[in-house]
Amino acid sequence: DAGVIQSPRHEVTEMGQEVTLRCKPISGHDYLFWYRQTMMRGLELLIYFNNNVPIDDSGMPEDRFSAKMPNASFSTLKIQPSEPRDSAVYFCASSTPGQGARGYTFGSGTRLTVV
Amino acid sequence: GESVGLHLPTLSVQEGDNSIINCAYSNSASDYFIWYKQESGKGPQFIIDIRSNMDKRQGQRVTVLLNKTVKHLSLQIAATQPGDSAVYFCAENQAGGGADGLTFGKGTHLIIQP
Repeated sequence: DAGVIQSPRHEVTEMGQEVTLRCKPISGHDYLFWYRQTMMRGLELLIYFNNNVPIDDSGMPEDRFSAKMPNASFSTLKIQPSEPRDSAVYFCASSTPGQGARGYTFGSGTRLTVV
Repeated sequence: GESVGLHLPTLSVQEGDNSIINCAYSNSASDYFIWYKQESGKGPQFIIDIRSNMDKRQGQRVTVLLNKTVKHLSLQIAATQPGDSAVYFCAENQAGGGADGLTFGKGTHLIIQP
């Protein structure tokens, strides 16, 4: 099992540019989560999907952020336009009910720097 | 809103000693708690969990204690090793875990002194 796969690992972009982060969940997991981690705010849930359907996007900071899950094996988080305050590590996680947090697996994250 | 928070940002212990990391939560509706370990450059990794109908749970070298009266959670690591150096997060969930998002505390950085 390759785990949750995120790409790219690092992204440096200029303010105003569009940024797309990608995630491949663990096969068979029907929940997918996007988190953002900063020193000031820690780990924050942005949005999560169940069976490819967005369930709760109340954590998405503003309209510049959007997330999609076109199929069970792929999700994207897009920021357009990006701003320096978006600099953070973005984590994707997937899970399946019934296993508790034991089945909740995080990817290695994408470190985004907006200059 | 209610949140989960940690008492100490950094904890330094001698190799071989026991470590205790504390966490306070404020949401009385929380019924499931988890400890995660995050090493540099990696995502959080599950360590141990506990449900609100328990007050203690043990794993390999780790023990989680839950005191619902004072809304306090702790992680005890026995005989700490250099590989235990990491940031430790407590997290809570109201749905039994895995079915929706987790609320994380800010984290405690555990440093193991040789």
